[in-house]
Amino acid sequence: SQTIHQWPATLVQPVGSPLSLECTVEGTSNPNLYWYRQAAGRGLQLLFYSVGIGQISSEVPQNLSASRPQDRQFILSSKKLLLSDSGFYLCAWSGWTSGDTDTQYFGPGTRLTVL
Amino acid sequence: QKEVEQDPGPLSVPEGAIVSLNCTYSNSAFQYFMWYRQYSRKGPELLMYTYSSGNKEDGRFTAQVDKSSKYISLFIRDSQPSDSATYLCAMGNGQNFVFGPGTRLSVLP
Repeated sequence: SQTIHQWPATLVQPVGSPLSLECTVEGTSNPNLYWYRQAAGRGLQLLFYSVGIGQISSEVPQNLSASRPQDRQFILSSKKLLLSDSGFYLCAWSGWTSGDTDTQYFGPGTRLTVL
Repeated sequence: QKEVEQDPGPLSVPEGAIVSLNCTYSNSAFQYFMWYRQYSRKGPELLMYTYSSGNKEDGRFTAQVDKSSKYISLFIRDSQPSDSATYLCAMGNGQNFVFGPGTRLSVLP
């Protein structure tokens, strides 16, 4: 079976500090990977998605960046955090698994507070 | 027009009630339709998915898709306090997915 991990679970960072959030997927190969942000009481905002190693598409211009150094690893980064970067960050994967249709599965999330 | 519209609630029902959650969408190209349940401070959990129009039942949950009306529903029978969560609808076509903002449901004992 497939599992998706995210860490850290919670993070409190000062404004202007760097950020690195990591996501890894187990039990599948060549997944599509996604980073979302969910503000309190708001819907999911797609930030980045990747269809393969080194292939990143950005949906929203911002001070965040993403990288995919390995097939099942997705990293969300920032050089200098802003207050507006606070939120709940979710990693997701999708891909054809045996018997399933193409749908997205989410990790447990990282709650980021920028002070 | 938003791609997906969903009543944000909150929706409060007594235990045992039948709950109806709905979404409308605008893109007729969507073929996959999903419902996610998200407990507070957790990642969304896939609850139901359907392909194209029709009904799908899983225990107390029934998902309905009406592509002609661009309308999807999730019904919860015999609702339980443990069903209290935010429910997000989602739809996609290949790599493109869109999510509704979610409906917050409270089932009162």
